[in-house]
Amino acid sequence: AQSVTQLDSHVSVSEGTPVLLRCNYSSSYSPSLFWYVQHPNKGLQLLLKYTSAATLVKGINGFEAEFKKSETSFHLTKPSAHMSDAAEYFCVVSAPFGNEKLTFGTGTRLTIIP
Amino acid sequence: DAGVIQSPRHEVTEMGQEVTLRCKPISGHNSLFWYRQTMMRGLELLIYFNNNVPIDDSGMPEDRFSAKMPNASFSTLKIQPSEPRDSAVYFCASSFSSGRFFDTGELFFGEGSRLTVL
Repeated sequence: AQSVTQLDSHVSVSEGTPVLLRCNYSSSYSPSLFWYVQHPNKGLQLLLKYTSAATLVKGINGFEAEFKKSETSFHLTKPSAHMSDAAEYFCVVSAPFGNEKLTFGTGTRLTIIP
Repeated sequence: DAGVIQSPRHEVTEMGQEVTLRCKPISGHNSLFWYRQTMMRGLELLIYFNNNVPIDDSGMPEDRFSAKMPNASFSTLKIQPSEPRDSAVYFCASSFSSGRFFDTGELFFGEGSRLTVL
């Protein structure tokens, strides 16, 4: 069985300040982990993915995430928030059996304060 | 490049009516997924197809829901009869699956069909 827990349903940061979105996972296997972003009235888009290579993963738009097995965490960070980062972010875990086995978190809504 | 195309983008209907949502996946992709997103339940996988064959429909809520994929470039999700609790955003997503372990995990989502059942 696998699951993800996004620890914050809503995060607000000021423009230009760091972003931290927290995600813990549980998996019976060596997991693959992903972050997806959903802008208002849009579909989800892959932001970055971890698939057992480097533990620090860089994604699009300056985001990165670090896989920490000892803490079962995969937190998403960005050094400096931009207004265009305002969106819903989903942490996703996958068992190694194909794309149909993705488990989505409940999402974190990121608000950027001008 | 064209992404996943869904239609209609918005649908408002009355309880008891039939609703058909349509999806055109990205050319070359062989897996197609239907998801439903609500505030209460988040993102739920309803059904997915691989090479046009339904593989797992265990997420389909009940017999009122049906999905088809007659060819590699088209899929429908039908609700008959519709009920107010079916109100949600329905997403179609596609990907390429090699059928081996460690698929990329990258699904390409359409912009969704927002369904409101009155």
